[in-house]
Amino acid sequence: AQKITQTQPGMFVQEKEAVTLDCTYDTSDPSYGLFWYKQPSSGEMIFLIYQGSYDQQNATEGRYSLNFQKARKSANLVISASQLGDSAMYFCAMSHRSGGGADGLTFGKGTHLIIQP
Amino acid sequence: DSGVTQTPKHLITATGQRVTLRCSPRSGDLSVYWYQQSLDQGLQFLIQYYNGEERAKGNILERFSAQQFPDLHSELNLSSLELGDSALYFCASSVGDDSSYEQYFGPGTRLTVT
Repeated sequence: AQKITQTQPGMFVQEKEAVTLDCTYDTSDPSYGLFWYKQPSSGEMIFLIYQGSYDQQNATEGRYSLNFQKARKSANLVISASQLGDSAMYFCAMSHRSGGGADGLTFGKGTHLIIQP
Repeated sequence: DSGVTQTPKHLITATGQRVTLRCSPRSGDLSVYWYQQSLDQGLQFLIQYYNGEERAKGNILERFSAQQFPDLHSELNLSSLELGDSALYFCASSVGDDSSYEQYFGPGTRLTVT
């Protein structure tokens, strides 16, 4: 079975500092994808970044980058130059395709990030 | 704005009742996923439809059912509601038929069962 572990329930970071949110995963599937989503207090889920298991380079999207270490089964999210608007819950999630079929995402429990001025 | 719409935003109902949640995917997306977010269970995948056909099932209770219509909108039906069904229900859509494609989430429907 797949599992996503986010070990930081909460983090406080000073504005403009870089932030690393940890995510480790467990799967026996050779093909999978890793996602990060942001959930502000308003409740919506905002897609941030995606990394495929066969991608050679780490994914980047603006201030977001994904530090993918396949051998360690980790997919940490790095936010550069944090802003007050980055305060939110952040979820790491994994997809897989087992037996040729489809499936939904498996989510971690999330990290509550608070950016302080 | 993700382009995925969900109605209603809020729903308050009593135990034993039945409700229907509605989702319209982004233009061009053929897959619709339903997720439940609760304090004790976190975010859980319920069910996926692709182009009108059921593709995958997650932790969906037998009291719950879903369908996707020819215009690709989807409905999630929850019956014999219990207090524990109170949660935020998300619909997400993607272009492809498997979960390696990015999923874009709607704003959610907050269900309160009293």
